[in-house]
Amino acid sequence: DTAVSQTPKYLVTQMGNDKSIKCEQNLGHDTMYWYKQDSKKFLKIMFSYNNKELIINETVPNRFSPKSPDKAHLNLHINSLELGDSAVYFCASTSGGYYGYTFGSGTRLTVV
Amino acid sequence: GENVEQHPSTLSVQEGDSAVIKCTYSDSASNYFPWYKQELGKGPQLIIDIRSNVGEKKDQRIAVTLNKTAKHFSLHITETQPEDSAVYFCAASRGAQKLVFGQGTRLTINP
Repeated sequence: DTAVSQTPKYLVTQMGNDKSIKCEQNLGHDTMYWYKQDSKKFLKIMFSYNNKELIINETVPNRFSPKSPDKAHLNLHINSLELGDSAVYFCASTSGGYYGYTFGSGTRLTVV
Repeated sequence: GENVEQHPSTLSVQEGDSAVIKCTYSDSASNYFPWYKQELGKGPQLIIDIRSNVGEKKDQRIAVTLNKTAKHFSLHITETQPEDSAVYFCAASRGAQKLVFGQGTRLTINP
């Protein structure tokens, strides 16, 4: 019973392509996030949704578009992929308040 | 916005010794400070957290201390074991709305 699951785990694609990453949580959490981890392991927040509503939108190129069809799902669509988009993308969720995040196992995106 | 600095970036200790990782934060309104452990190929996992109304918290071999005045907090791991080898991240936020992470510390436990 995976709490936060992401698909795919690995994604290799060519520059200019469009790709999507999917995330689902079965914890009943209201808030979900996308974080990007670069090659130096730095974790940076990209987006956050609370009950399907976008609440955090960091300085991210508009080629990245999140979508939350319901509070258990948060997807990330990336248009016109660039080499610099190569990273590990983590989905996370929380019930809010002072409870920590539960992270998925990540999607390693490689743009060639 | 919040900025979290973490040191050291790498730490190597002998098995059985203690390890200490330190973080500083910039936003005096931050009141929640979790620590995460990330093993190879996995997502970060919460290992301990502390709120601003508490100065210290302990869970078996792991403890976290917080100095609100100086705006720094630390992770202490005692009696280190090989399975403690991982990358550790500190983070800070107001509540848990938007966690800002430190740069990470790669901890290696030498047998």
